This record gives sequence, structure tokens and C-alpha cells, in this order.
Amino acid sequence: AQTVTQSQPEMSVQEAETVTLSCTYDTSESDYYLFWYKQPPSRQMILVIRQEAYKQQNATENRFSVNFQKAAKSFSLKISDSQLGDAAMYFCAYRIMNRDDKIIFGKGTRLHILP
Amino acid sequence: DGGITQSPKYLFRKEGQNVTLSCEQNLNHDAMYWYRQDPGQGLRLIYYSQIVNDFQKGDIAEGYSVSREKKESFPLTVTSAQKNPTAFYLCASSIRTGGSGNTIYFGEGSWLTVV
Repeated sequence: AQTVTQSQPEMSVQEAETVTLSCTYDTSESDYYLFWYKQPPSRQMILVIRQEAYKQQNATENRFSVNFQKAAKSFSLKISDSQLGDAAMYFCAYRIMNRDDKIIFGKGTRLHILP
Repeated sequence: DGGITQSPKYLFRKEGQNVTLSCEQNLNHDAMYWYRQDPGQGLRLIYYSQIVNDFQKGDIAEGYSVSREKKESFPLTVTSAQKNPTAFYLCASSIRTGGSGNTIYFGEGSWLTVV
């Protein structure tokens, strides 16, 4: 079965510090995309960062970066210089680019920012 | 503005009633998806469609039905067979080619409550 596992239901980090959210996935496919989405209390899903599985270089978007380990099927998100506005649920997801084209999400990690 | 519109935002259903959640997109996306979100469960895939007049069951399709008669529309009907429909429902869409087009875009969601 295709699954995404986020092993940390909740995490807390001091404002301005760095935090890493973990994500592992299970697939036998070779062509896929990985995503981190943020869901604030408004419930709007906001794309944080995207990684193509065929790219070895880790994606970065300002304070957000990933550590993509394809062999280990690991896709962690690092948030640097944490800000109060980063408090949200974070979901890891992958999309397999084959005829099935399912998009599978993990159960999420709730991130608290401590002032 | 381009985007995904879900309606209604809040919906109340009586026992034994069917209700339909609307999802419309003007992004010219081929693929559309319906997810259900419950506390602690993340996003679970209900149905998805890659082209007009075709759709596939996701992981929790029982008690739900969909149609895809137009590219821009993917309504979800919650039938009386769905015994626990109270949840937050998210519609999403995406194109199916490579690169940045693989980003998944979401609507603002619909809250369904059984009364």
C-alpha cells in the first residue's frame, strides 16, 4: 500500500529557532513528486515546497528547505528562523505520475511556535 | 481571479438526506480530487478524476458519489449510506504534465454537519 508517515503529531519550537518535521513514504514507483503543505487555522491549504524525485538537489524556498533522501524514502522539512505565522498543521504528500495519479497525504504535524 | 471555488462553505444534513458539495475550477486543470479531513486523520482521498467523464474511487469512497460532466466541475454527493459524514471536505485540482504543473491547488473547503 502507498503510504505517507509523519511520525510527529505535534512539535513546538522557540521563535527564531530551527525545527525539522519528518516524513517518510512508501512507494515502488520511480517517478513522483513530493510536497509539504501548510494548513493554518483558516483551513486553507498552502503549498510550502515541492520536490521532484528525479532531482538530487534539495529544494529550498526562503526559510524552508527539505532533506530528500530517495533511497531511504525520507522527505523532511526544515524551517529556519521560525516565526509566529509558521504555526499551523503541516502535511507531507506525494504524487505518483503514472496512470493512477493518486495524491496521498500524511496525517500531519501540528507545529506550535513559542514566543 | 483564477482558482477553485467550493460551495457551500457550511452545510447541515439531516439523517437520511443526500447532499451535494460543489467544486468549480477555472484553472483549466485536467485532474480533480475530493478529500475528507477529520481530526487526527489528515486528508483521505474520496474520489479523483483525470479527465471528463471518468473518475476513480479513492480510499474511502463508500457512501459518496461524483460526476465529471465538465472539465471545470466535480461535484461530490454525500449519500445517506455514508454513516458518519460530519467532516471538512476539500476539493483540489492539478494539471497532469511535468514541472511546476504538478502542484495541487485547493479550494477553501466545505464543512458538513449532520443534525
